[in-house]
Amino acid sequence: AQTVTQSQPEMSVQEAETVTLSCTYDTSENNYYLFWYKQPPSRQMILVIRQEAYKQQNATENRFSVNFQKAAKSFSLKISDSQLGDTAMYFCAFYGTASKLTFGTGTRLQVTL
Amino acid sequence: NAGVMQNPRHLVRRRGQEARLRCSPMKGHSHVYWYRQLPEEGLKFMVYLQKENIIDESGMPKERFSAEFPKEGPSILRIQQVVRGDSAAYFCASSPGQGGSTIYFGEGSWLTVV
Repeated sequence: AQTVTQSQPEMSVQEAETVTLSCTYDTSENNYYLFWYKQPPSRQMILVIRQEAYKQQNATENRFSVNFQKAAKSFSLKISDSQLGDTAMYFCAFYGTASKLTFGTGTRLQVTL
Repeated sequence: NAGVMQNPRHLVRRRGQEARLRCSPMKGHSHVYWYRQLPEEGLKFMVYLQKENIIDESGMPKERFSAEFPKEGPSILRIQQVVRGDSAAYFCASSPGQGGSTIYFGEGSWLTVV
């Protein structure tokens, strides 16, 4: 079974600064997808970014980008120009041949003034 | 385009009662997932359904829990004889198909068992 590990339970960053959230995963599959979801205090799960494992190019969505290292099974999320609205729980997730998302335990990000 | 719709958003049940949670997937989506989130924890997979079929129920507790996704109407997650430990947020998600299609989540249903 796949496992997803987020080793940073909590992080803090000042507004306008850059922060990187770590995620590693374990799989024997070659074709899969990786996701970052954001869960703000409203508790809604919001898709932040998606990466296809067969693509070498790192995905980017505005201020959010990933560093995907397939050999190392690492999928970190970089948030540039952090904003107060980025305060949330961030979950890394794996999607493979089992056709379901497996989530990490999350990183609580606090953006401060 | 309406997103994934879940209702009720909040549900309070006494121990021993039944809870029914509903999920209408996004338009054009035929795949539905249910996840449970206990307080201060991540999301745990419960069940994966397509229309009229349960594809994977490996995350469902063996007793009291059931799910369906009929040909017409929303997907239903049913919890019989609820206990305090069932108190959690239940998230429904949908996708248009397999193969890593983006999975979108509803806003969740919060079940409180008193």
